Amino acid sequence: AQRVTQPEKLLSVFKGAPVELKCNYSYSGSPELFWYVQYSRQRLQLLLRHISRESIKGFTADLNKGETSFHLKKPFAQEEDSAMYYCALTEYGGATNKLIFGTGTLLAVQP
Amino acid sequence: GAGVSQTPSNKVTEKGKYVELRCDPISGHTALYWYRQSLGQGPEFLIYFQGTGAADDSGLPNDRFFAVRPEGSVSTLKIQRTERGDSAVYLCASSPRAQGAGIYTEAFFGQGTRLTVV
Repeated sequence: AQRVTQPEKLLSVFKGAPVELKCNYSYSGSPELFWYVQYSRQRLQLLLRHISRESIKGFTADLNKGETSFHLKKPFAQEEDSAMYYCALTEYGGATNKLIFGTGTLLAVQP
Repeated sequence: GAGVSQTPSNKVTEKGKYVELRCDPISGHTALYWYRQSLGQGPEFLIYFQGTGAADDSGLPNDRFFAVRPEGSVSTLKIQRTERGDSAVYLCASSPRAQGAGIYTEAFFGQGTRLTVV
């Protein structure tokens, strides 16, 4: 089955602490992985994708095909990072680019 | 427009009624998606349009759900005989992706319509 799993519903850290949001996937084909973020009262937006290998707002994510994981990391959390984070995948080179989302992790960065 | 626009932002309807949810995509975007997000869940794919045609409707839960995009721009999601289980946030997204491009192009999401069936 095609599935994205985010085991943590809530992750609470203090400002300046490292952050790791976990994401595991199950997919029969060749997936492309993403992290989407939704800040309070804002719309869902793309944070980063594994193919671009960028660092956005200090966040990075490495695709580990052996462990089928795509964890999101940031060395020093900021209060403005507080948001809902969704891991998602689509079929690489697929016909539709429809996304399969995980259930999301709420990141709360305490001052 | 500045982004994907969805109307209404909130809709309360009685069980059994018919509802229509509207999506105005970003001008020039050929691809349009509908997703449904139930409480505590991530968005779930419903349907994908490339231009005027529904290229993939595999996510529609049953035949009470239908969507159209007659002129390749605005899309309407229609739900007949609404049930309490249809209560969710319905999200629309659009992207400039061309059919068969084989390359992911970013989909931009609207704010969603919160549907409550009482």
